[in-house]
Amino acid sequence: AQSVAQPEDQVNVAEGNPLTVKCTYSVSGNPYLFWYVQYPNRGLQFLLKYITGDNLVKGSYGFEAEFNKSQTSFHLKKPSALVSDSALYFCAVRDNTGGFKTIFGAGTRLFVKA
Amino acid sequence: NAGVTQTPKFQVLKTGQSMTLQCAQDMNHEYMSWYRQDPGMGLRLIHYSVGAGITDQGEVPNGYNVSRSTTEDFPLRLLSAAPSQTSVYFCASSYGDEQFFGPGTRLTVL
Repeated sequence: AQSVAQPEDQVNVAEGNPLTVKCTYSVSGNPYLFWYVQYPNRGLQFLLKYITGDNLVKGSYGFEAEFNKSQTSFHLKKPSALVSDSALYFCAVRDNTGGFKTIFGAGTRLFVKA
Repeated sequence: NAGVTQTPKFQVLKTGQSMTLQCAQDMNHEYMSWYRQDPGMGLRLIHYSVGAGITDQGEVPNGYNVSRSTTEDFPLRLLSAAPSQTSVYFCASSYGDEQFFGPGTRLTVL
């Protein structure tokens, strides 16, 4: 069965500092991995995905994520945080065996302080 | 394109009442899903569909029914609402990888 763990409920970072939001996953086959962001009272918005290829993937708003197969991790990163990055971030996983079922983590709330 | 639309935005039900949450998309996406979002639980998959006439259960399907008679619509039915179903419900559609989410329905069951 697929599963996703986001070990931090909340991440605090000062504006201008680098940020990392952690995610680990478990799937039976090769993973399709995703990051989504949710701003208050809104639906989720897609940030980036890893399907295959380079382990470092770049996405929207300057975010990137690093896929590490040996550690089964897919951490979200940004070199310089902005106050406007404050939001709820979700990691998600789907296996590549042909199914569509996508499982989300519990979410990590990011606070960027000015 | 309107994208993914959900109605109603807010709903209050009494225990035992039934209702249908509506979801529609105009992007001709084959895949559609229903999630519920609860504090500390993230998004949990209720039901999903890979095309008209095909549905399957997700992580938390009990108490919910779905059908998919057209590509555009994917309604979620609560046959007998319970307080445990108080949540925010999101519908999403996809052409394969990236999912597009609706604005959500906030449901309270008293």
